[in-house]
Amino acid sequence: DGGITQSPKYLFRKEGQNVTLSCEQNLNHDAMYWYRQDPGQGLRLIYYSQIVNDFQKGDIAEGYSVSREKKESFPLTVTSAQKNPTAFYLCASSFTGVDQPQHFGDGTRLSIL
Amino acid sequence: GNSVTQMEGPVTLSEEAFLTINCTYTATGYPSLFWYVQYPGEGLQLLLKATKADDKGSNKGFEATYRKETTSFHLEKGSVQVSDSAVYFCARQGGSEKLVFGKGMKLTVNP
Repeated sequence: DGGITQSPKYLFRKEGQNVTLSCEQNLNHDAMYWYRQDPGQGLRLIYYSQIVNDFQKGDIAEGYSVSREKKESFPLTVTSAQKNPTAFYLCASSFTGVDQPQHFGDGTRLSIL
Repeated sequence: GNSVTQMEGPVTLSEEAFLTINCTYTATGYPSLFWYVQYPGEGLQLLLKATKADDKGSNKGFEATYRKETTSFHLEKGSVQVSDSAVYFCARQGGSEKLVFGKGMKLTVNP
């Protein structure tokens, strides 16, 4: 079945540590996205990529980094510069076009030890 | 910038009650409109969409009509079930813009 796979489901980070969240899709989508979800704040866009080897900052990119070396993969690194990383992280993908819906993974919950 | 405003709740209903979740959007350009649903501990799922004025999206008993004159895309269901308990997000997407979400509304349906 086609879909988006995020791993791990739960992740714990120590102070000063970088962690990488995985996102893989087999839907042949061109565009991929990373969102952060905090209680009562809805979804905020971190980074997005519309084509391999290219990506753009979203609304809250500080303290995060991404790469897009393959069409299927869009990993997110939460760096030690992100001072409040505890959140639920959602990856999405879509075909390009204003009428194309985004398809979401099941998320990764990141917590600080 | 463009935005979406929706009821934030939380809302609690009894099973078989009528549901309306209001959503309004900024009218710049000709956006597509979406409703997404998020069940506990999961990602978002597309519930329905509409891409032009007067379009009606429908799925699983839910409906929403793209109203350009009132810039609204209200979600309705005639008879909710316990399994409809979730968070509902309204969203707009226009031109080369990113998808813009409302803040979400948590619905709890009691038996």
